[in-house]
Amino acid sequence: GDSVTQMEGPVTLSEEAFLTINCTYTATGYPSLFWYVQYPGEGLQLLLKATKADDKGSNKGFEVTYRKETTSFHLEKGSVQVSDSAVYFCALGFNKFYFGSGTKLNVKP
Amino acid sequence: DTEVTQTPKHLVMGMTNKKSLKCEQHMGHRAMYWYKQKAKKPPELMFVYSYEKLSINESVPSRFSPECPNSSLLNLHLHALQPEDSALYLCASSQDKVGYGYTFGSGTRLTVV
Repeated sequence: GDSVTQMEGPVTLSEEAFLTINCTYTATGYPSLFWYVQYPGEGLQLLLKATKADDKGSNKGFEVTYRKETTSFHLEKGSVQVSDSAVYFCALGFNKFYFGSGTKLNVKP
Repeated sequence: DTEVTQTPKHLVMGMTNKKSLKCEQHMGHRAMYWYKQKAKKPPELMFVYSYEKLSINESVPSRFSPECPNSSLLNLHLHALQPEDSALYLCASSQDKVGYGYTFGSGTRLTVV
């Protein structure tokens, strides 16, 4: 069945470090892919999305590329800030919506 | 308006109480969802309403009763809950296809005592 597999956390980085959170998917068709962010005590916010292969997205310094050949949708940021500390969820939208398990990011000053 | 508004933000209720959670969106989305999120876990789907009709019930206990009075409103009625039902309850909405992604509300933090 359709699913997403997300890198386990927590991930702890120093400020200005490079971030990668891995996400791979399994789907029978061509799903849309999403990254959501959840700050402590809040709901989920849509961070990035891509609807077809080779789509690239960027928002708030975060970047993703939808890579059909490796069925991946990794989240990257060149220089993280303390304010990026949150839980990040990869998600797949096809016939239903599937969330990854979430990756907690801690950024230290 | 690009928001999903949930009320209340926090709710404490006893096991014999009846309470309701409310969700509202004015984006013209025709699908609305209730999710339950336990600490350190991803959201779990409870119910889906599509064009104001219940289309998915993920085997949720009957002590949770959803209602969609119109295309902008979604309620979740709670009765005789258990302490293990304590969680963050999230409402979301989307255009009629899931491929467009969801817009989430900020949630109701429910504590059952």
